[in-house]
Amino acid sequence: SYVLTQPPSVSVAPGKTASITCGGTNIGSKTVHWYQQRPGQAPVVVIYYDTDRPSGIPERFSGSNSGNTATLTISRVEAGDEADYYCQVWDSSSDHWVFGGGTKLTVL
Amino acid sequence: EVQLVESGGALVKPGGSLRLSCAVSGLTFSNYRMNWVRQAPGKGLAWVSSISGSSNYKYYADSVKGRFTISRDNAKNSLYLQMNSLRAEDTAVYYCARGMPTSFAFDIWGQGTMVTVSS
Repeated sequence: SYVLTQPPSVSVAPGKTASITCGGTNIGSKTVHWYQQRPGQAPVVVIYYDTDRPSGIPERFSGSNSGNTATLTISRVEAGDEADYYCQVWDSSSDHWVFGGGTKLTVL
Repeated sequence: EVQLVESGGALVKPGGSLRLSCAVSGLTFSNYRMNWVRQAPGKGLAWVSSISGSSNYKYYADSVKGRFTISRDNAKNSLYLQMNSLRAEDTAVYYCARGMPTSFAFDIWGQGTMVTVSS
């Protein structure tokens, strides 16, 4: 089955840029979605279709996807961005949705 | 406003059964694929099952196939997950989530219901 690999943790200072990666075999051929989950809350989609932002999500959130790596980039990081972030794809070969293991973003 | 409200979570013994429900409001329910996602305590998100708007297509994670059954009642705007032969590793918060119409993302989530499998 398809596997998505994320770093367990990423730390960034306020005002800086955070990059969270999601690795998978030829993931660039798939569409990647990203979710933010704050402690005790349900997940929220922050990026879908690799690069699209739902309404209400700040422009500071952006995504890219190429080759074997997709990336969620958060610019001008704020304390409120501290959360777990998950990538997700639809694997057509297995008819399964797949989540990455998640990355805990810490704002220093 | 679109709302998804899960219910039915409980403490159940290994080998037992449970039926989760998700009441949906604020949208034309039959137009959307619906999904169940779970999260074990302190762990990440794990997709469980999905069902198309017309119930023609149902998908299951390997870990639950043959034990769980997803269904929906479009007249009642409700989604269900029948869970049989429960195991300790099924212990998790179970979320229902709406499938985005034009992508495979999940754009609206409920707050979840806790299922604990323990003797």
